[in-house]
Amino acid sequence: DAKTTQPNSMESNEEEPVHLPCNHSTISGTDYIHWYRQLPSQGPEYVIHGLTSNVNNRMASLAIAEDRKSSTLILHRATLRDAAVYYCILRDEETSGSRLTFGEGTQLTVNP
Amino acid sequence: DTGVSQNPRHKITKRGQNVTFRCDPISEHNRLYWYRQTLGQGPEFLTYFQNEAQLEKSRLLSDRFSAERPKGSFSTLEIQRTEQGDSAMYLCASRTGTGAYNEQFFGPGTRLTVL
Repeated sequence: DAKTTQPNSMESNEEEPVHLPCNHSTISGTDYIHWYRQLPSQGPEYVIHGLTSNVNNRMASLAIAEDRKSSTLILHRATLRDAAVYYCILRDEETSGSRLTFGEGTQLTVNP
Repeated sequence: DTGVSQNPRHKITKRGQNVTFRCDPISEHNRLYWYRQTLGQGPEFLTYFQNEAQLEKSRLLSDRFSAERPKGSFSTLEIQRTEQGDSAMYLCASRTGTGAYNEQFFGPGTRLTVL
């Protein structure tokens, strides 16, 4: 699986937007970009995924660079419940056996 | 609750003992995954099943580890002759195998401590 690079940690204030970056310069044309997050003492949970176009759902938005070598997860208004480790994962559904390859992720701290 | 459940949530054992964990996936999810997570690291893939067939195993899964999913529903992960290095959170996830994209749903994990 292609590698992703994320900052170890980021901080935000409550009710402000948060932009979590991810670099994936070796992404292949068939790799989807996935984001999962892991709240304290819980298993990871799905946030969003995309291939080429920007994506929105009720939890977040995913902005994908035109060359697909980077992406940004956007939380529009951070809440204290959004404090978690956020993982950016690349996956080729056809070749990876659908397993997820996690890196170390970004620890997001949300200040009240 | 119809999410993925795992039992026990915590297990403390002595080095050399055998332990078994259970995972109950979301009903009708035909794919089931096991991951291991150590402190400060992201989860690492161990193995996955499609129905009762074990289709992929990581090199992390040594001979002391065995996983089963006998009827294509719940799964067990057994560790024989535990070592201190086996101390970790063991996570189970499931997903449906149909459709263009399906997210994995994770359970809360079983935390193993080997003394």
